[in-house]
Amino acid sequence: DAMVIQNPRYQVTQFGKPVTLSCSQTLNHNVMYWYQQKSSQAPKLLFHYYDKDFNNEADTPDNFQSRRPNTSFCFLDIRSPGLGDAAMYLCATSRASGPRAKNIQYFGAGTRLSVL
Amino acid sequence: DQQVKQNSPSLSVQEGRISILNCDYTNSMFDYFLWYKKYPAEGPTFLISISSIKDKNEDGRFTVFLNKSAKHLSLHIVPSQPGDSAVYFCAASEGGSNYKLTFGKGTLLTVNP
Repeated sequence: DAMVIQNPRYQVTQFGKPVTLSCSQTLNHNVMYWYQQKSSQAPKLLFHYYDKDFNNEADTPDNFQSRRPNTSFCFLDIRSPGLGDAAMYLCATSRASGPRAKNIQYFGAGTRLSVL
Repeated sequence: DQQVKQNSPSLSVQEGRISILNCDYTNSMFDYFLWYKKYPAEGPTFLISISSIKDKNEDGRFTVFLNKSAKHLSLHIVPSQPGDSAVYFCAASEGGSNYKLTFGKGTLLTVNP
C-alpha cells in the first residue's frame, strides 16, 4: 500500500543534542509537510516543500531545519532541542496539481520526541 | 489567534445514535474544509471534505454541513459505531495556490456500546 512512513516512532534525545526525524512516502506526492503537535493542541505547520522549494512558516524557530533530498524523503532536523520541543512530529504529503487543487493531506503515524 | 475552533474537547454518544461534531472558523478566505479522524498511535486520516460552493457533502454514514454565513461546519455520523471513537480534527484551506491546512484542536468522540 502506498503510504507515509515516519521513523523512528519514538525518539528520546538529550537537551541540546541534535536530532533528526525522517519521513518517506510512496505516494509520489510533490508536497511534503512537517507539523508539530503538542498535547491537546492543533497540529502546527512548521514548514513544507513544494517539490524542491522550501517554505518556512514565519513563526517556526530557527532551531528547526528541513531537508528534502528527493521526492520520497524529507527530514526534520532539530539543532539544539529544548524541553519545549518535546512533542509529536507529523509528516504529511499531498499532490498539488494546480491552483484549485483540493488539498487532501496524507499523514504518517508521527514521531513522538522526548527531551531529557 | 485560532482561525479554526473546535469548542468541544470531547463528546460521548450511544451506539446507533447521531454524533454531531462542530467547527467554527474566522478566516473568510477559507474555501475548502476537511475532517480528519485520528486513532491513538496513528496519524490523522482523511475522512470527508467540502468545498465552499456546497453546503452539504455526504459519504455513507458521514455528512458534512457548511454554513458560510455563520462560518460554521459540522460533521454528522449516523448511526454512530464504537469504531468511530477517535479524535476528530476540523481543517481548512484557503485554496488557490495556498496548500496549507489550518487545524482545530480536535474533539474526542467516544461511542458507547
